[in-house]
Amino acid sequence: GDSVTQMEGPVTLSEEAFLTINCTYTATGYPSLFWYVQYPGEGLQLLLKATKADDKGSNKGFEATYRKETTSFHLEKGSVQVSDSAVYFCALTRNTGNQFYFGTGTSLTVIP
Amino acid sequence: GAVVSQHPSRVICKSGTSVKIECRSLDFQATTMFWYRQFPKKSLMLMATSNEGSKATYEQGVEKDKFLINHASLTLSTLTVTSAHPEDSSFYICSARVWPNIQETQYFGPGTRLLVL
Repeated sequence: GDSVTQMEGPVTLSEEAFLTINCTYTATGYPSLFWYVQYPGEGLQLLLKATKADDKGSNKGFEATYRKETTSFHLEKGSVQVSDSAVYFCALTRNTGNQFYFGTGTSLTVIP
Repeated sequence: GAVVSQHPSRVICKSGTSVKIECRSLDFQATTMFWYRQFPKKSLMLMATSNEGSKATYEQGVEKDKFLINHASLTLSTLTVTSAHPEDSSFYICSARVWPNIQETQYFGPGTRLLVL
């Protein structure tokens, strides 16, 4: 069945460091891929998404490219800030809609 | 963007009581809403899919008689945890699918933290 695998955390980085959070998926067909962010005590917010192969989603300095050949959607940011500290979830859904499949989440802490 | 609200944001109840959680789409119609449960340091697990005007579809292992879902209108779905027990303590999150669902995006509510004593 469909599934998402994320790198386990927690991840601790210094401010301005480069961030990569790995995400790979298993799905038939061509799913849409998402990154959601959850700040402490809050619900999930859509960070970025890509709906077809080779698409690049980007928002707030974060980027992720939909790689069909490696079934990956790694999240990257060139220079993290303290305010980026949160839990990041990779997710997929079929283009026919409905259920989201989430990774286990990766906790990121950025220290000054 | 589309906004989904949940009420209450936090609730503490005694074991054996029932708790109702509301999920509302504030500026769009949602024919389908989803209820998730998030365990500490774990991912979100889909509990059920709520369709307006019909019975909810529950995921395997979720007790439908314990987690009652009602989707009476295009902007409101409710989850009632009946006869709550301490093991039901969790973070419950709803999401709503925009209709028409052109971009396959779901919008998530801020979550409800339930603590059963």
